[in-house]
Amino acid sequence: AQKVTQAQTEISVVEKEDVTLDCVYETRDTTYYLFWYKQPPSGELVFLIRRNSFDEQNEISGRYSWNFQKSTSSFNFTITASQVVDSAVYFCALSEPPNQGGKLIFGQGTELSVKP
Amino acid sequence: DAGITQSPRHKVTETGTPVTLRCHQTENHRYMYWYRQDPGHGLRLIHYSYGVKDTDKGEVSDGYSVSRSKTEDFLLTLESATSSQTSVYFCAISSNRESTEAFFGQGTRLTVV
Repeated sequence: AQKVTQAQTEISVVEKEDVTLDCVYETRDTTYYLFWYKQPPSGELVFLIRRNSFDEQNEISGRYSWNFQKSTSSFNFTITASQVVDSAVYFCALSEPPNQGGKLIFGQGTELSVKP
Repeated sequence: DAGITQSPRHKVTETGTPVTLRCHQTENHRYMYWYRQDPGHGLRLIHYSYGVKDTDKGEVSDGYSVSRSKTEDFLLTLESATSSQTSVYFCAISSNRESTEAFFGQGTRLTVV
């Protein structure tokens, strides 16, 4: 069965600190996709990144970076120099390929609080 | 922003009454999904659709039914609402093209009293 675990329920940091959100997944599929979504206090879900199982290159987008390691089934998310606006709930998700339906399995979410 | 609209955005209903939530898209995407969000559970899939009149159950489908008579509309019905169905409901859409991600609606907060 597919499963996503975000062991960190809540994280609190002070502005400008770096923070890493952990994500561990389980799947028997050889082709799959991993996602991170952000849910700010306003409640909408904002897509951050999608990574397929064949692409293990790390990715950096501004202050955000993602570390995908198939050997440990992990897809961790790091925010560098955190800001108050980064305060949100972050979800890691796993899906089957889009042409097979693309259904998402979500982790429980990590609530990040960045204090000034 | 992706063209996906949920209605209503908020609803309070009584136990035992039927409730229908609507998801409308303007992207002509093939796949549509209904998720519910509860504390400690993240989002869980209720039902999904591969196309018109083509639907299937997700992880937490008991007590829910869906219909998709048009590409753009995906309806979620609670036949007889219960307090355990108090939740935030999200609709999502995606294409079957490799390069797209799932787009989510704004969510519907449903309270069953």
